[in-house]
Formats: sequence, structure tokens, C-alpha cells
Amino acid sequence: EVQVVDSGGGLVQPGRSLRVSCVASGLKFGEDTMHWVRHSPGKGLEWVASISWNSGYIAYAESVKGRFTISRDNAKNSVYLQMSSLTPDDSAFYYCTHGLRGYSAVFDYWGQGTLVTVSS
Amino acid sequence: EIVMTQSPATLSVSPGERATLSCRASQSISSNLAWYQHKPGQAPRLLIYGASTRATDIPARFSGSGSGTEFTLTISSLQSEDFAVYYCQHYNNWPPWTFGQGTKVEIK
Repeated sequence: EVQVVDSGGGLVQPGRSLRVSCVASGLKFGEDTMHWVRHSPGKGLEWVASISWNSGYIAYAESVKGRFTISRDNAKNSVYLQMSSLTPDDSAFYYCTHGLRGYSAVFDYWGQGTLVTVSS
Repeated sequence: EIVMTQSPATLSVSPGERATLSCRASQSISSNLAWYQHKPGQAPRLLIYGASTRATDIPARFSGSGSGTEFTLTISSLQSEDFAVYYCQHYNNWPPWTFGQGTKVEIK
């Protein structure tokens, strides 16, 4: 059974940093692309970042470029999103997602989400 | 950036009826389109990819069609568990991978 578990969200002040994480099991984790997608009520779903199996390809949404960093540790089946210079617009549920084999930008398995709230 | 536009914003349907949701891309994306279902408090669920291929364990009442810029998700006979928000997403060529703004399917 595939499981993706997100963690690390919380309340953070504007301008501060936060790291969210996910751990996946039941997948050939080290062979597949992973992503972060966020959801906020006013904005719907928004793709945030992607990282290929060997970290050789990384991409970011324009809205987070230069502030967020995606990384992975295949030995720990984990993906991370380091977020800095946070603003209230970054408040959302953050979901770690797995890229479907052969269609790496189709999100087939999702974590339960971790809530990030940016507020003073 | 490819803009995905969904219509209608809200669809009121009675259980057992057919629901038809539309998604338009601002430029051709071939068949590189996915559909997701999102219920409150849950993670989104992949329904369709390749515009018309059902994902694993997705019931046959969900079907997708279209190519180029115009796409449709059809739910042939709505069940109570199908009331949710539905998003389309393109994955053509390169990022950003953009979603539509969503269509809420509600009980009539």
C-alpha cells in the first residue's frame, strides 16, 4: 500500500522560514519525480515545485522562485520544502505528491497535507 | 504560462443525473490533461490522465474526452460520494503545471 505522509506545517510570522517534509512508502521512491502542490481556499490548487529522481531536474513556480527550495533524500524516502521570506499569500495546505510513472507531472499519490499559516 | 479555464464554476445536479464539466487550455496541450477530485479535508484524488485514461480504481462512470484546447469530464450517474470540487491540470512539455480554478459539483 502506498502512503505519503506530510508534516512540518504550523503558524509562522511573515518574513520567517519553515520546512515541510514528507515520507513515502510503498513506492519505488528513488526512481520517481516528486512534487509539492498547495491549496488555499481563495486560490484553488497551485503547483509549487518538482524534483526529479536524482535531483538533477528541479523546477519552481514563479511565485516561490528564489524563496523556496525543494530537496530529497532517497535513502530516507523523503522530500523537503524549505520555505523562506514567507508572506500571508503562502498560507495554504501543502501536499507532497508523487509523479505517475511515465507521466511525471501527473500527481497520482498525495499526502494528507500540512497546513502552513503565515500571520503575525 | 498556459491558463486553464473551467466552466461552470458551480454545477447543481441531482443524484443519478449526468454531470458534464468543461476545461479549456489557452493553447494546445495535445492530450496532456489530468482531472482531479477534491473533497473538503481530504487530499485531491487523480481521476483521469492523458485526457481520457482512468486512473487506478476509478469507477467507469467517470470519463474524459477532448484534445488540443477543449476537454470534458463526464460523470454518467452521480453518486452521493461524487459531490466535490473537480480540477483540470495540464502537463504539456514544461512547467508551470497549471490547474483550472475548479468546478464545484453540488447537490441540486
